[in-house]
Amino acid sequence: DARVTQTPRHKVTEMGQEVTMRCQPILGHNTVFWYRQTMMQGLELLAYFRNRAPLDDSGMPKDRFSAEMPDATLATLKIQPSEPRDSAVYFCASGPGQKNTEAFFGQGTRLTVV
Amino acid sequence: SQQGEEDPQALSIQEGENATMNCSYKTSINNLQWYRQNSGRGLVHLILIRSNEREKHSGRLRVTLDTSKKSSSLLITASRAADTASYFCAPSGNTGKLIFGQGTTLQVKP
Repeated sequence: DARVTQTPRHKVTEMGQEVTMRCQPILGHNTVFWYRQTMMQGLELLAYFRNRAPLDDSGMPKDRFSAEMPDATLATLKIQPSEPRDSAVYFCASGPGQKNTEAFFGQGTRLTVV
Repeated sequence: SQQGEEDPQALSIQEGENATMNCSYKTSINNLQWYRQNSGRGLVHLILIRSNEREKHSGRLRVTLDTSKKSSSLLITASRAADTASYFCAPSGNTGKLIFGQGTTLQVKP
């Protein structure tokens, strides 16, 4: 049963700490999205990769957020330093197509920064 | 903006009734996708309709697309309590990005 795997599922951390969220895309998928969801802002696209190259990270706060794909089986989203306003659910999604692909979502990482 | 805007924001119906949700967008698209999100879960892809298609069916789902009006609708027929969820549209253009709106929250009462 192929699925996008995100770890950790829940993370509580203190303000100022580094947070790393990991995503394992579905094997063979070459498109990866990172989203953040909050009640106020809804679903925001943070970053978008194709074939491990970042295509668009304009939605990501550059000063504290970074997204990478060290290899085809791992995508990471880091926040350093974390702030309470970063509290949200972070979703990773992967897609099989080169372009205009449907997206398969992971279960999300619920981040709480206190 | 490529973002789709769903309407209504919230919809409450009785089990067995049909539910219709609408999506409007502003840019040209290659396709438009609909997703469902159950509370606390990730989004689930429901259906993709290409820009040269006008209607598509999948089980109890019917999606229409009018590119001249830049709008789409999602019809769920014979709704069930299990259809209670938020529904999102995502117009997709040349960049392949998927940008979601605020969604329509559907409540189906047993």
